[in-house]
Amino acid sequence: DVKVTQSSRYLVKRTGEKVFLECVQDMDHENMFWYRQDPGLGLRLIYFSYDVKMKEKGDIPEGYSVSREKKERFSLILESASTNQTSMYLCASSWRTEYNEQFFGPGTRLTVL
Amino acid sequence: SQQGEEDPQALSIQEGENATMNCSYKTSINNLQWYRQNSGRGLVHLILIRSNEREKHSGRLRVTLDTSKKSSSLLITASRAADTASYFCATDAGYGGSQGNLIFGKGTKLSVKP
Repeated sequence: DVKVTQSSRYLVKRTGEKVFLECVQDMDHENMFWYRQDPGLGLRLIYFSYDVKMKEKGDIPEGYSVSREKKERFSLILESASTNQTSMYLCASSWRTEYNEQFFGPGTRLTVL
Repeated sequence: SQQGEEDPQALSIQEGENATMNCSYKTSINNLQWYRQNSGRGLVHLILIRSNEREKHSGRLRVTLDTSKKSSSLLITASRAADTASYFCATDAGYGGSQGNLIFGKGTKLSVKP
């Protein structure tokens, strides 16, 4: 069974704090993704990575950065958290094929006060 | 950038009834996928249909794809209370497809009453 784990299910942080969200997958997938999900807006892609040390901006990268030092791990960093970054964050991974499915982690609900 | 749009936004049915959800998209695709999300959890892949396929079945799920109308439908037959969830369609980005990017719609919230 493919497993994608995220470091926290719930997280509460203060405005201005640096926040790290970690994602680990155990299927040797090339691709990894970070999304945020907000009511009425669906899933929006923040960043993705198709290889170690590679990263590409998604639709809403502002205020975020990522790190992929190892194939199985993809970290999302909020350099200075703001209240408008309160959201559900979902990590996913997939093989780098044309007909791929994405495997999702359970999500991290982040609240920034 | 939104690609797939599901319709309806919300659907409420009785157990045993069929549930149909629709998805429309704008640009050409390589494949279209459906995912399910239970409340507050991650998404789970249900089924993938390729652009050269018209219909696909998996258990109680039936997916159709009409590339001329740029639309797809997901039918859940004999629904159960456990099918209560949000359902999302997702299309590949249509470019750099080998990188596996998907664009998700906003979802249909299905409620199945026992």
